[in-house]
Amino acid sequence: ETGVTQTPRHLVMGMTNKKSLKCEQHLGHNAMYWYKQSAKKPLELMFVYSLEERVENNSVPSRFSPECPNSSHLFLHLHTLQPEDSALYLCASSQQRGPGRDYGYTFGSGTRLTVV
Amino acid sequence: AQSVTQLGSHVSVSEGALVLLRCNYSSSVPPYLFWYVQYPNQGLQLLLKYTSAATLVKGINGFEAEFKKSETSFHLTKPSAHMSDAAEYFCAVSDPDRDDKIIFGKGTRLHILP
Repeated sequence: ETGVTQTPRHLVMGMTNKKSLKCEQHLGHNAMYWYKQSAKKPLELMFVYSLEERVENNSVPSRFSPECPNSSHLFLHLHTLQPEDSALYLCASSQQRGPGRDYGYTFGSGTRLTVV
Repeated sequence: AQSVTQLGSHVSVSEGALVLLRCNYSSSVPPYLFWYVQYPNQGLQLLLKYTSAATLVKGINGFEAEFKKSETSFHLTKPSAHMSDAAEYFCAVSDPDRDDKIIFGKGTRLHILP
């Protein structure tokens, strides 16, 4: 266990469904991230939260809606997704925003999403 | 902006042979560099990181990487491959122009041949 827990591990949903992905970290970190990992593509940063405030949204379609109710929890709400949204969605946390120099990210195991 | 390039999307080595995964970076300032590993159906795990303290960095599972400024490289090596090393490996750099956000390479999948 890395200290970052994602649920569910697998999710199959229809294009008209609404579902949510959950991420929880027990590391006392202040920044959390959502990444999308598709086959044959680099990791795509979707959202960044720092101290529960969204600080970055990388042109993600509105059918993805993040929520960060506190510094330990991060959600990704999904609605009317497309088949091309099928991917592994990874959550990560870091001690603070701008962690590259001294810290690095701690990742969860991801949610494998399939849109049918 | 900072970036990393990983040469070879797939690398195959025999068990017991040397592992060499290549990474070149582009950075306008002294970089902070990372290698992450992703095992099947798992998230990414930090293998090692370079933060200017020493050019040869030792990580977990017997891996190490050498920072070479003259070659703008940060190649990952392991003297003797083990079957359990089969995974995808990502080189990454922090981008000071983007609040030190970590930028990942496209990854190299390492296959270990028996």
